[in-house]
Amino acid sequence: AQSVTQLDSHVSVSEGTPVLLRCNYSSSYSPSLFWYVQHPNKGLQLLLKYTSAATLVKGINGFEAEFKKSETSFHLTKPSAHMSDAAEYFCVVSPYNNNDMRFGAGTRLTVKP
Amino acid sequence: DVKVTQSSRYLVKRTGEKVFLECVQDMDHENMFWYRQDPGLGLRLIYFSYDVKMKEKGDIPEGYSVSREKKERFSLILESASTNQTSMYLCASSLGGAQGRNEKLFFGSGTQLSVL
Repeated sequence: AQSVTQLDSHVSVSEGTPVLLRCNYSSSYSPSLFWYVQHPNKGLQLLLKYTSAATLVKGINGFEAEFKKSETSFHLTKPSAHMSDAAEYFCVVSPYNNNDMRFGAGTRLTVKP
Repeated sequence: DVKVTQSSRYLVKRTGEKVFLECVQDMDHENMFWYRQDPGLGLRLIYFSYDVKMKEKGDIPEGYSVSREKKERFSLILESASTNQTSMYLCASSLGGAQGRNEKLFFGSGTQLSVL
């Protein structure tokens, strides 16, 4: 069975500093991995996805994530946080051999002025 | 653009009632999903379906059932609603199939269900 663990329930950064949101996954098969973002009272939006192509994936709004098979990790980063990045972020895993998609518990990102 | 429509935005029901949550997508997607979202727990998969009349249990199927009689419609049924089923319910769909496996999820706007 596949699952995903987001290592921090809450991350707080200052505006202009780097962002790191951590995600570890377990999957019996080569997975696809995703990051979604949910702004307050808004729907979920896809930030980026990894589907066995390049291990470094670039997404929208300056975010990127690196797939590291040896560490079973897919951490999300951004060089410089903006106030508008404050939201909840979800890491999602989908195994190669079927269609289900499992979410992590989420990381709430706070950006301080 | 893909549209996923959930029949109700807010719903209030009483304990023991049978509750139907309806979801319709308009892009001929193979896969449809039901999640519930609770603070601190993220989105938990209840059931998903990869084809008409096909369904798979997710992580928390107890107390729920689903129906997919037509490709565009995926219904979630609470057989006998309980207070611990008070939650935000999100329906999603994705392309699926051999070529579209593991593609982006498209979400409905959610149904906030309160069971009193």
